[in-house]
Amino acid sequence: GDSVTQMEGPVTLSEEACLTINCTYTATGYPSLFWYVQYPGEGLQLLLKATKADDKGSNKGFEATYRKETTSFHLEKGSVQVSDSAVYFCALSLNTGGFKTIFGAGTRLFVKA
Amino acid sequence: EAQVTQNPRYLITVTGKKLTVTCSQNMNHEYMSWYRQDPGLGLRQIYYSMNVEVTDKGDVPEGYKVSRKEKRNFPLILESPSPNQTSLYFCASSLSETQYFGPGTRLLVL
Repeated sequence: GDSVTQMEGPVTLSEEACLTINCTYTATGYPSLFWYVQYPGEGLQLLLKATKADDKGSNKGFEATYRKETTSFHLEKGSVQVSDSAVYFCALSLNTGGFKTIFGAGTRLFVKA
Repeated sequence: EAQVTQNPRYLITVTGKKLTVTCSQNMNHEYMSWYRQDPGLGLRQIYYSMNVEVTDKGDVPEGYKVSRKEKRNFPLILESPSPNQTSLYFCASSLSETQYFGPGTRLLVL
């Protein structure tokens, strides 16, 4: 079945370090891919998305490229800030009449000053 | 302001006592969903609705009911809550594939 696998956390980094959170997926058809972020005590919000192969989504210094050949959508940021501390969810969406979204388990990021 | 609201935000109840968590959106979205979030499991879809009076089961529907009588509202009903329904619940709405989430309802069933 369709699924999303992302690296387990927590990930702890110092401010200004580089971030990579790995995400791979399994899907029939051609899904859209997303990264959602959840700040403490809040709901999820869209961080970035890509709708087709080789598309790059970007927002707030984060970016991810839709790689069909490796079925991956890794999240990267060149220099993290303390305010980036949150839980990051990789997700895919399939248009099956409605929009079925499947989430990964989430990766918690801690950034130390 | 475009938003999804949920009430209550926190709820402690006892086994078997019926409860309802309300969800409302002001974006005129057709598609709404309920998810539960549990550690290590991410978000799992409970029920979804593609429009008024159209609802369907998600991945973990057992023990839950929903209704969609109006476009803006999508309440989640637990007829007889059990401790394994202790979780963090999120409502979401969407017009297309990007979802907009409410702030969450943390439920503890004793």
